[in-house]
Amino acid sequence: QSALTQPRSVSGSPGQSVAISCTGTSSDVGAYNYVSWYQQLPGKAPKLLIFDVTRRPPGVPDRFSGSKSGNTASLTISGLQAEDEADYYCCSHAGSYTWVFGGGTSLTVL
Amino acid sequence: EVQLVESGGGVVQSGGSLRLSCVSSGFIFGDYDMAWVRQAPGKGLEWVSHITRDGSATNHADSVKGRFTVSRDSAKNSLFLQINSLRVEDTAVYYCARGLYSTVTGGFCYWGQGTLVSVSS
Repeated sequence: QSALTQPRSVSGSPGQSVAISCTGTSSDVGAYNYVSWYQQLPGKAPKLLIFDVTRRPPGVPDRFSGSKSGNTASLTISGLQAEDEADYYCCSHAGSYTWVFGGGTSLTVL
Repeated sequence: EVQLVESGGGVVQSGGSLRLSCVSSGFIFGDYDMAWVRQAPGKGLEWVSHITRDGSATNHADSVKGRFTVSRDSAKNSLFLQINSLRVEDTAVYYCARGLYSTVTGGFCYWGQGTLVSVSS
């Protein structure tokens, strides 16, 4: 159960697009279409942005999108806004009722 | 409205025990798998435990296996986490979570506010 690998930080200017990568193995990200992404503001519980690799829960803007290729998943945020500044985490199902999270990425809006 | 409210956290000495609770409302508790996720201060998220909707199957992260036990009581709409042999590294905010649908396989959609467990040496 090793953590998925995410960049520690990314940044972008308002209106731009940023992508956050999440690299796992053939036992988790590569094995299942069950990657999810979360946004966490300071002192708050995580908020689900993407589930099942590409699906958005009700209420999540379509500026947030997910994809996967092989053992790497990605979250893309388009039309960056100041309110998007937060920590972002990926997560993958890893079989047999186990899950593994990434280490988290801090997004700075310049 | 789906609500999850955790309780039971506190300050405990290394080697001690705690029982965390998560009371649910706004949905039929027995129709959903549930999970616990924790976050150490200033650190990332870590999946801890999972239990199926009928309680027939459970699993725990390797880091807590043998010390933590997840259970549920559908009559009380409640999820529990029994934590034994606590270690300093178990210090974290513990969240209970539910998926958008009956399983959590694809992601954790609903979260409680968390309860803080602080372990002193």
